Amino acid sequence: EAAVTQSPRNKVAVTGGKVTLSCNQTNNHNNMYWYRQDTGHGLRLIHYSYGAGSTEKGDIPDGYKASRPSQENFSLILELATPSQTSVYFCASGDARTVYAEQFFGPGTRLTVL
Amino acid sequence: AQKVIQVWSTASRQEGEELTLDCSYETSQVLYHLFWYKHLLSGEMVFLIRQMSSSTAKERSGRYSVVFQKSLKSISLVISALQPDDSGKYFCALWELGDMGYKLTFGTGTSLLVDP
Repeated sequence: EAAVTQSPRNKVAVTGGKVTLSCNQTNNHNNMYWYRQDTGHGLRLIHYSYGAGSTEKGDIPDGYKASRPSQENFSLILELATPSQTSVYFCASGDARTVYAEQFFGPGTRLTVL
Repeated sequence: AQKVIQVWSTASRQEGEELTLDCSYETSQVLYHLFWYKHLLSGEMVFLIRQMSSSTAKERSGRYSVVFQKSLKSISLVISALQPDDSGKYFCALWELGDMGYKLTFGTGTSLLVDP
């Protein structure tokens, strides 16, 4: 069964609305990540976390908040969604004990902001 | 400037052929890793193969192998005996120590279509 799950898988939001994307992992990994993928760009890191209670800014954090209430859960929050945040969002987890460990990705959430 | 460059945005091949996907990268680190991921048509992102900067071994995983040219800062993914299920988007990624700790930087991806 999938070790990294995301919900919702698809979301349509209105400009100015609040959007919360959720991620759950059963890998028992300390590190979790939120990326967005847009045509012409690779995956870009928005926020990441080293463990419960920790959130760090990635390369493109503006307009996003993150929350890591537990080892398993990592949320991405768009307080005031804008059309420029229309994208596919991926959550990933990684083993902090192995510095160069691969990341395991969720199935992605397609967000459309109208 | 893009740190990880995948020149070809699309590629197409016939079933049974072999394909090489190229990737170049920029880093000032001595130790780093390179990864290849596949974005499936279903939306899933799957790890394929890893190359350590310190390794001279030719990494291979099933039908996937890499050609690592460290001095050229180049890594290519070779997929042999292509199958229609190999269709999808392939991302090269660089894992290195940056200003904010270790991070993974992705290329823009190459979309592959394999015709039966």
